[in-house]
Amino acid sequence: GENVEQHPSTLSVQEGDSAVIKCTYSDSASNYFPWYKQELGKRPQLIIDIRSNVGEKKDQRIAVTLNKTAKHFSLHITETQPEDSAVYFCAASTMAGGGADGLTFGKGTHLIIQP
Amino acid sequence: GAGVSQSPRYKVAKRGQDVALRCDPISGHVSLFWYQQALGQGPEFLTYFQNEAQLDKSGLPSDRFFAERPEGSVSTLKIQRTQQEDSAVYLCASSLVEGAVAFFGQGTRLTVV
Repeated sequence: GENVEQHPSTLSVQEGDSAVIKCTYSDSASNYFPWYKQELGKRPQLIIDIRSNVGEKKDQRIAVTLNKTAKHFSLHITETQPEDSAVYFCAASTMAGGGADGLTFGKGTHLIIQP
Repeated sequence: GAGVSQSPRYKVAKRGQDVALRCDPISGHVSLFWYQQALGQGPEFLTYFQNEAQLDKSGLPSDRFFAERPEGSVSTLKIQRTQQEDSAVYLCASSLVEGAVAFFGQGTRLTVV
């Protein structure tokens, strides 16, 4: 089955700086890679996703890059703000939403924005 | 409702007790997933429904776990004879169709004492 590794487990950056979170996956059949943001005690919320037919996608301060050859994808947040503080999860699947066997998640990155 | 709704939000069970966790997906959503999220970990897949059919239950940790969605809408995850290792947040997600983006509920935090 799919295995997703995520690094770092904790990331502390100064407000206004950029943050980068990296994930690797094992199953070359995976072709959908979402990122979820989870605040303490709240539901995971989709912030951006990318499919394997593109290498990069951007939405305002958030961008995701994908390297299919290396089985590696990353989340980039620029101009970080205090409200960006949360746990971020990457995930992989053979289908958007998870298909029949769901999404395989990384262990999460706790992003801390220092004022 | 506007989103996926789960109840109860919190459940404390004594070891050995049976529990039932409810998920109301977004209206009209065909696909429904259950995940288990241990403290400090990412969600782990438990089971998947397409309408009322349970197409995959490969993630259920033991035969004490049982899920149903009899009318293709509301789903219930039942855990029999709860153990301490069952303590976790149980998340439900739904998507409009297979292959569409999944939206999560707020989860039920189960604590087994």
